[in-house]
Amino acid sequence: KAGVTQTPRYLIKTRGQQVTLSCSPISGHRSVSWYQQTPGQGLQFLFEYFSETQRNKGNFPGRFSGRQFSNSRSEMNVSTLELGDSALYLCASSLDPVSYEQYFGPGTRLTVT
Amino acid sequence: ILNVEQSPQSLHVQEGDSTNFTCSFPSSNFYALHWYRWETAKSPEALFVMTLNGDEKKKGRISATLNTKEGYSYLYIKGSQPEDSATYLCARPDQGGKLIFGQGTELSVKP
Repeated sequence: KAGVTQTPRYLIKTRGQQVTLSCSPISGHRSVSWYQQTPGQGLQFLFEYFSETQRNKGNFPGRFSGRQFSNSRSEMNVSTLELGDSALYLCASSLDPVSYEQYFGPGTRLTVT
Repeated sequence: ILNVEQSPQSLHVQEGDSTNFTCSFPSSNFYALHWYRWETAKSPEALFVMTLNGDEKKKGRISATLNTKEGYSYLYIKGSQPEDSATYLCARPDQGGKLIFGQGTELSVKP
């Protein structure tokens, strides 16, 4: 069974621009979660989608948004990029994020200059 | 806020040593406890999802225990090998599925 895929893998953007990241979950998984990983903060929860509905949101500004499509693929958007948004962005899919393990994608490394 | 604390922050052991790490979390409103292994240049990989007090799970040389009443979980590695070198993360979800991760324990196993 194919794993979680994320595109692009690497991205360089300029401050003030916006960016869209994509995540394709494992077939049959309707839950997709997004995380930000920075050296000092560890893995921080951004949001979780289940069947096209955002069920949970982490403590991030409104510049961070996402959506999920009917095929469970998810996108994450960051508008008005700041230098501090430079991070590894991971998505993970699962049958249910509470009781089942999450399967992580390879991540998108975003650098904001 | 579901603070998840892990100790130690890092650990250096020799090949063949057995080791263990601790994950501490608030014991109220408990739903599950996840353990993940994150090797350098790879994605986090699930080890265990534990839901019941007293749960013990095992995968090869790695095992974990759970005490939900006192709010801790132990991860044990028996006979550490260099390929066990990774960061071990625990995470606790809230009812809605928001997963809060600890900072991780970085394990280095020297041959």
